[in-house]
Amino acid sequence: DTEVTQTPKHLVMGMTNKKSLKCEQHMGHRAMYWYKQKAKKPPELMFVYSYEKLSINESVPSRFSPECPNSSLLNLHLHALQPEDSALYLCASSQIPTGRNQPQHFGDGTRLSIL
Amino acid sequence: QQPVQSPQAVILREGEDAVINCSSSKALYSVHWYRQKHGEAPVFLMILLKGGEQKGHEKISASFNEKKQQSSLYLTASQLSYSGTYFCGTEAPNNAGNMLTFGGGTRLMVKP
Repeated sequence: DTEVTQTPKHLVMGMTNKKSLKCEQHMGHRAMYWYKQKAKKPPELMFVYSYEKLSINESVPSRFSPECPNSSLLNLHLHALQPEDSALYLCASSQIPTGRNQPQHFGDGTRLSIL
Repeated sequence: QQPVQSPQAVILREGEDAVINCSSSKALYSVHWYRQKHGEAPVFLMILLKGGEQKGHEKISASFNEKKQQSSLYLTASQLSYSGTYFCGTEAPNNAGNMLTFGGGTRLMVKP
C-alpha cells in the first residue's frame, strides 16, 4: 500500500462528461504533482503545487483543471477530454517543493479511458 | 530535455548482475531512481546528489558522475523481485521547484 491515495482506480468517461480525480496524502508534504503516463512510457509532468499554489503548468490543455483545496488534497478536474487523453494519471508528493534530496512518493494512479 | 537510458530492456537469470545507465545533456543537480512494476506506482529507490557520491540499498547501488552528467544503477545478485521498469529522473538548474524529467525507462526481467 502506498501513502498517497488516489481515487478512483479506474474511470471510463465519454468525451462530453465532467469528472474529477482525487489524490490525498497525510505525510505533511507541501508539494504535490500530477503526472500522465502512457503505456510503456515514462511519467510526464503536468502540474506542480507548492504550498497549495500552482507553481508549474507544463502547457497542459485547459480541459485539465487542477485544484489544491488544502495541503493534503489534490484534485484534477476533467472536461471534454479526447481519446488521446486515455492514460494512467499519477499523483505524487514530496516533503518540500525545492531542494535536491526530496524523493517523490507516488500513488497507484487512476487508469482513465475516454470513449 | 529527457535523459537517455540504456539499455532499453534486459533479461537476467536470478543471481546475475546488471547495470542501467542514465545520461543527460544538461548540467544536473541530482539524479533520482525509481522502479515501477506493471500496474503499480513508481517506487523511490535512491537519490544521487552532486559530488559523485555512491549510494546503496541492499544489493542495489548507484553512482553519479557530475562531470559527464551520467548516473549508473547497479543491481547485484538479482532477485525475482527486481523485475520491473527502472526510470531515472533528473533535476537540472533553473527548474522551478522539485521538477523531475524522467528517462524512457529500462525494462528488467529476472527469470528463475
